[in-house]
Amino acid sequence: GAVVSQHPSRVICKSGTSVKIECRSLDFQATTMFWYRQFPKQSLMLMATSNEGSKATYEQGVEKDKFLINHASLTLSTLTVTSAHPEDSSFYICSAPRTQGPPETQYFGPGTRLLVL
Amino acid sequence: RKEVEQDPGPFNVPEGATVAFNCTYSNSASQSFFWYRQDCRKEPKLLMSVYSSGNEDGRFTAQLNRASQYISLLIRDSKLSDSATYLCVVNRDLNRDDKIIFGKGTRLHILP
Repeated sequence: GAVVSQHPSRVICKSGTSVKIECRSLDFQATTMFWYRQFPKQSLMLMATSNEGSKATYEQGVEKDKFLINHASLTLSTLTVTSAHPEDSSFYICSAPRTQGPPETQYFGPGTRLLVL
Repeated sequence: RKEVEQDPGPFNVPEGATVAFNCTYSNSASQSFFWYRQDCRKEPKLLMSVYSSGNEDGRFTAQLNRASQYISLLIRDSKLSDSATYLCVVNRDLNRDDKIIFGKGTRLHILP
C-alpha cells in the first residue's frame, strides 16, 4: 500500500491564487522530504528539500518566496505555490526517504497535478 | 557533463525480447543507485535498487560498474506491461544538502 500520500491529487485555480499541497508519510517518520516538479515529457526536477525543524533548502533557480515549504511535523510537509501563474502548471511530487538498512529508498507520493488558468 | 545521463530512447522492442539500458553518472561520490519506473502521468515507482555485486529480481537484472561510473538495467522476456519510462536515480549521501539526481528517463515501448 501507499506509504506517502499527497493531497489534493488535482487542483485547478485562477491565476494569482495560492495553492497548498500536502505530503504525508503514512507509517514512518521523515525528517526530510523532497519536492519535485515535472513538466510534460520532462524528468522530475528537484525543487527543494524540506527539513523538519529547520528551513527548507531550495535548488538553484527555485524562488523560495514563491514556493513556501513548511515541514510541520515528522510526517507532514506542505508546499504552497503563492500567486500561482499559468507557467506554474505542472505535476508536483513529493518523496520521503525511508531508512530500512542501506541503501535508502525514496517513496513517492502520487503527485498533484496543478492547472493554473 | 550532466550528473546523470540516460539515452532517452524510445526503445521499440518486440514482446519477448531482451532489452538493456545504461545510465552514466559523473560524481564518483555517489553512493546509492536505483531504477524507477514511471508510467504516463503517474508518479515514479521503485523498480529495484542497484547493488555493487549486481542483483536480479525476476526478469530484471541491475548492475553497477563503479570504475566506469555506470549502472545498467536488463529486462528479459519483455512484456507489454513493461512499456514505461525507466528513470535512473543516483543518491549521494542523504544529508540535507545533498541531492537526489534523476536521469531524464529512457522510454520503452514493447510491441505486440
